Amino acid sequence: DGGITQSPKYLFRKEGQNVTLSCEQNLNHDAMYWYRQDPGQGLRLIYYSQIVNDFQKGDIAEGYSVSREKKESFPLTVTSAQKNPTAFYLCASSIDVNTEAFFGQGTRLTVV
Amino acid sequence: AQSVSQHNHHVILSEAASLELGCNYSYGGTVNLFWYVQYPGQHLQLLLKYFSGDPLVKGIKGFEAEFIKSKFSFNLRKPSVQWSDTAEYFCAVNAWGIGSNFGNEKLTFGTGTRLTIIP
Repeated sequence: DGGITQSPKYLFRKEGQNVTLSCEQNLNHDAMYWYRQDPGQGLRLIYYSQIVNDFQKGDIAEGYSVSREKKESFPLTVTSAQKNPTAFYLCASSIDVNTEAFFGQGTRLTVV
Repeated sequence: AQSVSQHNHHVILSEAASLELGCNYSYGGTVNLFWYVQYPGQHLQLLLKYFSGDPLVKGIKGFEAEFIKSKFSFNLRKPSVQWSDTAEYFCAVNAWGIGSNFGNEKLTFGTGTRLTIIP
């Protein structure tokens, strides 16, 4: 089936550790996105990528890093510099930035 | 920078009531507008979208939205809600215009409206 796969669904990490969230899509989409969802704040854009080997900071990029070495993959690393990393993270992709985005199931990260 | 406002944070309605959820955006250029829905425990999915043409767009499950350019609005409506419409609803915008660059073309979401339908 075509779609966006985020793994794992739940992730626990100790404070001070970096953690990488996986996002893979087999839709042949050029654009990919990472959002963070917090209660009452909607979805806030962390990073996005229009094409392979290129990405741009979103509204809340501090403490996060990404790579886009392959079209189908857009991993997000939550670094120890992120002050409040516990959140629900959503990955999305679209044909290009001017079309609708398709979302994965999300990863709930808890840092203890 | 573009922004999206959803002023209704939590709406509670009885079944069969009519629904209107507000969405306003701030950007003067060309816009694409979306409404997404997140049912409990499920991933975000597209309800409807507006790119151009008829400003009244129809989506899935009986939802519709009207783009009013002069008011920078894209309100979501449904004439008669059902219990199964209980969900969180998000308005989203991406926009570009004269002088836009790579950084302007991102999909921006509102804070969401939680809709609770009472049977």
